[in-house]
Amino acid sequence: EVQLLDSGGGMVQPGGSLRLSCAASGFTFSSYGMSWVRQAPGKGLEWVSAISGTGGSTYYADSVKGRFTISRDNSKNTLYLQMNSLSAEDTAVYHCARRGNSFVLDYWGQGILVTVSS
Amino acid sequence: VLTQSPGTLSLSPGERATLSCRASQRVSSNYLAWYQHKPGQALRLLIYGASSRATGIPDRFSGSGSGTDFTLTISRLEPEDFAVYYCQQYGSSPLTFGPGTKVDIK
Repeated sequence: EVQLLDSGGGMVQPGGSLRLSCAASGFTFSSYGMSWVRQAPGKGLEWVSAISGTGGSTYYADSVKGRFTISRDNSKNTLYLQMNSLSAEDTAVYHCARRGNSFVLDYWGQGILVTVSS
Repeated sequence: VLTQSPGTLSLSPGERATLSCRASQRVSSNYLAWYQHKPGQALRLLIYGASSRATGIPDRFSGSGSGTDFTLTISRLEPEDFAVYYCQQYGSSPLTFGPGTKVDIK
């Protein structure tokens, strides 16, 4: 059974940093691209970042480019999102998701809340 | 930009639900997906490629459409189907989502 478990969220002050993790199980992690998607309170879903199965290619939304870094450790079956220079606009529930063989995001984590506030 | 209508759909169990998703530009290769989301839970993929059901999805869920107009139909609502439904295009970058349709109990 495919499982994605998000962790690492919490409250951080503006300008601060946080690292999210997504532990994967039930599939060959290195064979799949992965993404992060977020949902701010009362707002819609926003794609944030993506990474290839090997980790050699990464992609970012303009809203986070230069501040967020996606990475993965295939030996630990874990996806990461390093978030720096956080602002209130980054407050959201962050979900990791697997990019399936049909290119669609087919499995999602339950989401982890990140709150940026002083 | 993806637009979904209606914003809220109030129906009773056993009724048919028809949800619409309209794209401002043609969705490349009809790479259009539908997701179900319940509070505190992971999003669940229902439909991909506009009309293909994902693994384990009951056949009361069906997707149709192409180009810019897509539809998710739930033939007979079960109690567990009351949730928010999102469409998403994955044919071009960046991936984008519709604002969602909430299906609630009448």
